Amino acid sequence: AQKITQTQPGMFVQEKEAVTLDCTYDTSDQSYGLFWYKQPSSGEMIFLIYQGSYDEQNATEGRYSLNFQKARKSANLVISASQLGDSAMYFCAMRESNNNDMRFGAGTRLTVKP
Amino acid sequence: GAVVSQHPSWVICKSGTSVKIECRSLDFQATTMFWYRQFPKQSLMLMATSNEGSKATYEQGVEKDKFLINHASLTLSTLTVTSAHPEDSSFYICSASMYPGGTGELFFGEGSRLTVL
Repeated sequence: AQKITQTQPGMFVQEKEAVTLDCTYDTSDQSYGLFWYKQPSSGEMIFLIYQGSYDEQNATEGRYSLNFQKARKSANLVISASQLGDSAMYFCAMRESNNNDMRFGAGTRLTVKP
Repeated sequence: GAVVSQHPSWVICKSGTSVKIECRSLDFQATTMFWYRQFPKQSLMLMATSNEGSKATYEQGVEKDKFLINHASLTLSTLTVTSAHPEDSSFYICSASMYPGGTGELFFGEGSRLTVL
């Protein structure tokens, strides 16, 4: 069964506007970590933001914030004030305490329009 | 932040040959490393988990005799694609964990793009 679901294959946003990338997850573990990575065309995986399952506050890192709704099992990424350099693939990922590995969603391709 | 380096970044080989990709943690000891494969416009798919000093754990459907993984030290894991064929052409990415288990961040290498002619 798919553990991480990203339902938006592609998203467009106007430069300087905010955009939300959706991510839902499935786990029976109480302890887990949720991640967002950016992958530009060069292929490197750039860590953006992390949310622990026990964190009560939504994580924020500069222009990135994670809208964590634990009961709904969603961890949406919000990018504020989009820049042209934000155009890339974005992956949501999860690490569960009972598994050592990290699993990824299908990804969302974000295109920022000037 | 912690640095993981992969080498080579690009490799082109003839069908039937073997190719070795190295993954090094440069400034920390990685008890566990992970190998992922990514086809164009697709997500990262976990191939195997590599533990220092023990045999790698392969995901279902990944041929362990084709994708040989060796984690001989706390800073180096290697992936060897044996008798490569064009369908093995892909982007291979490694990642490393500072701590055994847990739910913390993994640190990724730059990736290695393999093209088999």
